[in-house]
Amino acid sequence: DAGVIQSPRHEVTEMGQEVTLRCKPISGHDYLFWYRQTMMRGLELLIYFNNNVPIDDSGMPEDRFSAKMPNASFSTLKIQPSEPRDSAVYFCASNVGGELFFGEGSRLTVL
Amino acid sequence: AQSVTQLDSQVPVFEEAPVELRCNYSSSVSVYLFWYVQYPNQGLQLLLKYLSGSTLVESINGFEAEFNKSQTSFHLRKPSVHISDTAEYFCAVSEDSSYKLIFGSGTRLLVRP
Repeated sequence: DAGVIQSPRHEVTEMGQEVTLRCKPISGHDYLFWYRQTMMRGLELLIYFNNNVPIDDSGMPEDRFSAKMPNASFSTLKIQPSEPRDSAVYFCASNVGGELFFGEGSRLTVL
Repeated sequence: AQSVTQLDSQVPVFEEAPVELRCNYSSSVSVYLFWYVQYPNQGLQLLLKYLSGSTLVESINGFEAEFNKSQTSFHLRKPSVHISDTAEYFCAVSEDSSYKLIFGSGTRLLVRP
């Protein structure tokens, strides 16, 4: 298996633009998580899904953030409009049997 | 609410010396505990985990951690470190089988020759 696949790996955009981050979990994993990593706040859980259904989105910072999982093999995290303070590395992860597998992350820079 | 405290933000150590990275957690229920490692510009990789059973767990590359319920700790140890162990190490806790992880702030292990 190729592991958790995220795209894009790097994104540079201007304030106010819409950003969409994508994730393909490992096949057969029934949980999918979105995390954000910054120097100031470390790793924060934003939202997670079970069998494509959002279970807990209490970590989503603002209404500007939204996440969807239309099927078992695809999820998106959208920021609209983006702001400089959204600059971070966004990780997607999926799990089975007590191990969380992380993608390599999407590094977002908002100018 | 659950939380994880990693007391040391950075631990410098010489090659072949022993190391301990400290982790304490706060939770009102039984927990699952994890250590993850992150190399530069990469995602996190599982190093070892405690789900149940023996309180001493080991990784394939010589790390071990011991779950101490009375002290609510899960410290990571290695008797002899290598240059290649230089990385950021994260302790994490989960309270249920979703394995929704709450992470500590991380400890940067810097191994010097």
